[in-house]
Amino acid sequence: RKEVEQDPGPFNVPEGATVAFNCTYSNSASQSFFWYRQDCRKEPKLLMSVYSSGNEDGRFTAQLNRASQYISLLIRDSKLSDSATYLCVVGYSGGYQKVTFGTGTKLQVIP
Amino acid sequence: EPEVTQTPSHQVTQMGQEVILRCVPISNHLYFYWYRQILGQKVEFLVSFYNNEISEKSEIFDDQFSVERPDGSNFTLKIRSTKLEDSAMYFCASSDTGNSPLHFGNGTRLTVT
Repeated sequence: RKEVEQDPGPFNVPEGATVAFNCTYSNSASQSFFWYRQDCRKEPKLLMSVYSSGNEDGRFTAQLNRASQYISLLIRDSKLSDSATYLCVVGYSGGYQKVTFGTGTKLQVIP
Repeated sequence: EPEVTQTPSHQVTQMGQEVILRCVPISNHLYFYWYRQILGQKVEFLVSFYNNEISEKSEIFDDQFSVERPDGSNFTLKIRSTKLEDSAMYFCASSDTGNSPLHFGNGTRLTVT
């Protein structure tokens, strides 16, 4: 089983749609969870950290289910500028942050 | 907003040559990392560095690779004898604590011919 698994997509959605991505992780000792966004040939950029209680940042909502070992990202009212690859990142801290990336889910928002 | 900077943005080298990729992490960060991404593939962990020593390294990080923090600001990745399969985007990252998110530089694209 892959350490961090994501549906690669692509997800093609119209502007204004709501889209959800899921991610599963295999290491039950994982302690930190993030969603990053990566534009083509650019560096990953932190979108949001994911907390056990769930968290929201504008149009973006992240949820964590530790029992089932999955993380989700919901994007409401999709914009053209949301088109990117969304990377699920899972980490644990053994005195330093070791993070593992999923393969990413590609989102294309269509006019 | 402080950022991680990497140089050069693109490096072309011949197989067998040594390359040094340079990074300046965010100034108050203590944890440093190198990742790589082969075109079309996932971001892969290479090495983490804390307190002037390697914390962990992946299978990719073999004897051809080394890291160094030669002064208070730079963090370098050296590949001693490059191979064609080393062609990738190399990302440097840093974080301020062992639990906080990583901040990535804009990468060095390494092309080995």
